[in-house]
Amino acid sequence: SYELTQPPSVSVSPGQTARITCSGDALPKQFAYWYQQKPGQAPVLVISRDTERPSGIPERFSGSSSGTTVTLTISRVEAEDEADYYCQSTDSIASYVLFGGGTKLTVL
Amino acid sequence: QVQLVESGGGLVKPGGSLRLSCAVSASTFSDYYMSWIRQAPGKGLEWVSYISYSGTTRYYADSVKGRFTISRDNAKKSLYLQMNSLRGEDTAVYYCARMGPHYSSTWSFFDYWGQGTLVTVSS
Repeated sequence: SYELTQPPSVSVSPGQTARITCSGDALPKQFAYWYQQKPGQAPVLVISRDTERPSGIPERFSGSSSGTTVTLTISRVEAEDEADYYCQSTDSIASYVLFGGGTKLTVL
Repeated sequence: QVQLVESGGGLVKPGGSLRLSCAVSASTFSDYYMSWIRQAPGKGLEWVSYISYSGTTRYYADSVKGRFTISRDNAKKSLYLQMNSLRGEDTAVYYCARMGPHYSSTWSFFDYWGQGTLVTVSS
């Protein structure tokens, strides 16, 4: 079955760059999306269609894609960026929506 | 601004049923695909089901297929999830989420979410 694989955790110091990867066999053919979720809150879409930043999302957030891996990059990390991050995509005919297992970003 | 408000969660015994509702404040509700997503306590996000803008197409995760039914009422700008034969593993916060519009080439994402409603399945 199709899966999206993320590292369970990533840690960075304030001001550094955080990179969170997501791997999946269908990612070369299907767009990936990224969500930020803080404790007790609903998720927020931070990257759309692999690389697009929705309105209101800081420019520090960017996305990239290469082969079977997509990457969320957070530049100049701030304490407020500490959260869980999830990638999301679909199968080839959009009959199934899939989330990665999530990555907990810790700001040291 | 689009707002989604879920209701209908609560405590239910294994084997029981529950119906969740999601009221959407957007004049263009009928243009958008809609979805339910859940999150078990301390766990990650799990997609449950989505429905097309007209209601004619519905897809389900394998874990709920045959037990849950998604529906919508465009006149009432509402989304529903009928949950039958509930199990302990269905315990989660259930989120209602808006997907993209039917006229877009890409709509399989979630741009607005409700705050969620907790469903607890326990005897």
